[in-house]
Amino acid sequence: DAGVIQSPRHEVTEMGQEVTLRCKPISGHNSLFWYRQTMMRGLELLIYFNNNVPIDDSGMPEDRFSAKMPNASFSTLKIQPSEPRDSAVYFCASSSSGSMWTDTQYFGPGTRLTVL
Amino acid sequence: RKEVEQDPGPFNVPEGATVAFNCTYSNSASQSFFWYRQDCRKEPKLLMSVYSSGNEDGRFTAQLNRASQYISLLIRDSKLSDSATYLCVVKNAGKSTFGDGTTLTVKP
Repeated sequence: DAGVIQSPRHEVTEMGQEVTLRCKPISGHNSLFWYRQTMMRGLELLIYFNNNVPIDDSGMPEDRFSAKMPNASFSTLKIQPSEPRDSAVYFCASSSSGSMWTDTQYFGPGTRLTVL
Repeated sequence: RKEVEQDPGPFNVPEGATVAFNCTYSNSASQSFFWYRQDCRKEPKLLMSVYSSGNEDGRFTAQLNRASQYISLLIRDSKLSDSATYLCVVKNAGKSTFGDGTTLTVKP
């Protein structure tokens, strides 16, 4: 079975440009998470969806960030406009909510974003 | 104060050593607990869940102390391949909070 798929794996862009990160969760999983990881701040949860519905977006840093999940097999995280401080590795993870309390999250390989 | 705190290390140990990591959490309502492992420039992967009664998986033992709000991970007979960053994860409802990780380097 394919794991969580993210694209692109690497993105280098200039400040002010729009960036779109994509994620395909594991088939059958109904929870999807977007994380950001930096040396300074560690791994931070940005937003998570359950059954395609955003449940908690309190981690989204500001209005420049938006996330969508139009169907069970696809999600996007968009940054517009991008800034150098957005440079980080962005991970998508999915889980099957057999139990909301104990289910394991499976991470994608991440997108390494560099904003110049 | 961070919700989940770990000693960042690094821990540098020789092969065969026993090493222990601790993690404290601030939300007493937290329901479930995990240890993840992250190799350099890779994604985090689940190492083991942590159960109230404690649990063991080969050389790895995890313990939970709800009264003191900490979890621990013990690695026995450490291998070179155990070198990684170990992330403590605390979950409440659907939301998981990750610690910043403890870096372990096992040397020959």
